[in-house]
Amino acid sequence: NAGVTQTPKFQVLKTGQSMTLQCAQDMNHNSMYWYRQDPGMGLRLIYYSASEGTTDKGEVPNGYNVSRLNKREFSLRLESAAPSQTSVYFCASSEEGYYSYNEQFFGPGTRLTVL
Amino acid sequence: AQSVTQLGSHVSVSEGALVLLRCNYSSSVPPYLFWYVQYPNQGLQLLLKYTSAATLVKGINGFEAEFKKSETSFHLTKPSAHMSDAAEYFCAVRPSNFGNEKLTFGTGTRLTIIP
Repeated sequence: NAGVTQTPKFQVLKTGQSMTLQCAQDMNHNSMYWYRQDPGMGLRLIYYSASEGTTDKGEVPNGYNVSRLNKREFSLRLESAAPSQTSVYFCASSEEGYYSYNEQFFGPGTRLTVL
Repeated sequence: AQSVTQLGSHVSVSEGALVLLRCNYSSSVPPYLFWYVQYPNQGLQLLLKYTSAATLVKGINGFEAEFKKSETSFHLTKPSAHMSDAAEYFCAVRPSNFGNEKLTFGTGTRLTIIP
């Protein structure tokens, strides 16, 4: 049981390049999330997916796109990277229901630098 | 609308001393509250959660938190700090109504333990 896995762990991009961050969970959770973490700002939600086939914008969606490929996988794409997107990106998942309380399980993160 | 405020971005305590990390919340509906811990270069893991069952919540590693509605607070405490407690701690809030699963995180408090 690996929990939430993310690839890659580290990435350096040049301004204007594109890349996709991959996330997968093996806990059969319905909900998945992408956050970015910046010093002094905590975690901010980029996009989330309440179930397979649905996605919604979070607090900071500009410059990003997402795909909920299936129940397990939720990818984040940067079409044209900018230095402001230098950050640590976390994927998370949770089981939402009447008797669950949205404990989110986090992956280890991807450290992205855009030059 | 919901938000959390963590007072003190950095807290230092001596080994064996009381740990107190402060969190105040704002929520238009009864909230669920969470404390997460992040060790260096790792993802977040859940310390404890308040889901209205009991106002004093015990978590892992000897931490506990008390929900005080009158003060809109959910402060995290540990009677005796250990070197292994050095980490960053995040308070988070979400509404308790089903279908509104997005978490809002505070900006974090970095805890340093002095030998």
